[in-house]
Amino acid sequence: QLQLQESGPGLVKPSETLSLTCTVSGGSISSSSYYWGWIRQPPGKGLEWIGSIYYSGSTYYNPSLKSRVTISVDTSKNQFSLKLSSVTAADTAVYYCASSIDYGDVNWFDPWGQGTLVTVSS
Amino acid sequence: SSELTQDPAVSVALGQTVRITCQGDSLRSYYASWYQQKPGQAPVLVIYGKNNRPSGIPDRFSGSSSGNTASLTITGAQAEDEADYYCNSRDSSGNLVVFGGGTKLTVL
Repeated sequence: QLQLQESGPGLVKPSETLSLTCTVSGGSISSSSYYWGWIRQPPGKGLEWIGSIYYSGSTYYNPSLKSRVTISVDTSKNQFSLKLSSVTAADTAVYYCASSIDYGDVNWFDPWGQGTLVTVSS
Repeated sequence: SSELTQDPAVSVALGQTVRITCQGDSLRSYYASWYQQKPGQAPVLVIYGKNNRPSGIPDRFSGSSSGNTASLTITGAQAEDEADYYCNSRDSSGNLVVFGGGTKLTVL
């Protein structure tokens, strides 16, 4: 059974780059069955999809964040990562990683990591 | 702003049936998936596709779709169903992913 765990700094300074890693266990990140995604949730607000990556390296980003986001995969470590540059206080959120399945007319995220709070503050 | 629209809040009496809706043009072509999120916890998938429940999700949860609207129905709502519910699907282009703004369900 897949399990995902986010890791990374909980505090990032404004204008710097937020970097998070998601470690996948219980399955291979190289599986052709899955995409791997990042979703965030500002305090008290809803979910926002950041982007997803396929094991081959193909990426799909939210247009509102695309200029600042890079998602990459490290198959040797069974991990995928998120980098968000030039952060501001508006990027303060709980960041989740999740596995995603896409069958053309439907996609879903399951399971999710527990989430990690990243605060942008000087 | 989200391409999927949900009512911000819905309430239901204990044991009654409630329907939570999600509207968007992309739902004419793509199915919605539904997530339950309790305070301080990660979202949990409850319905995906036409009407599929992951293992461990009670059968009181069901999904349906008509036109540009997807619905999550809880038949016989329990106190433990009080949570935020989010829908997600592809966007209108079919290339990207979107989430609805979420619905806070209160069980009275």
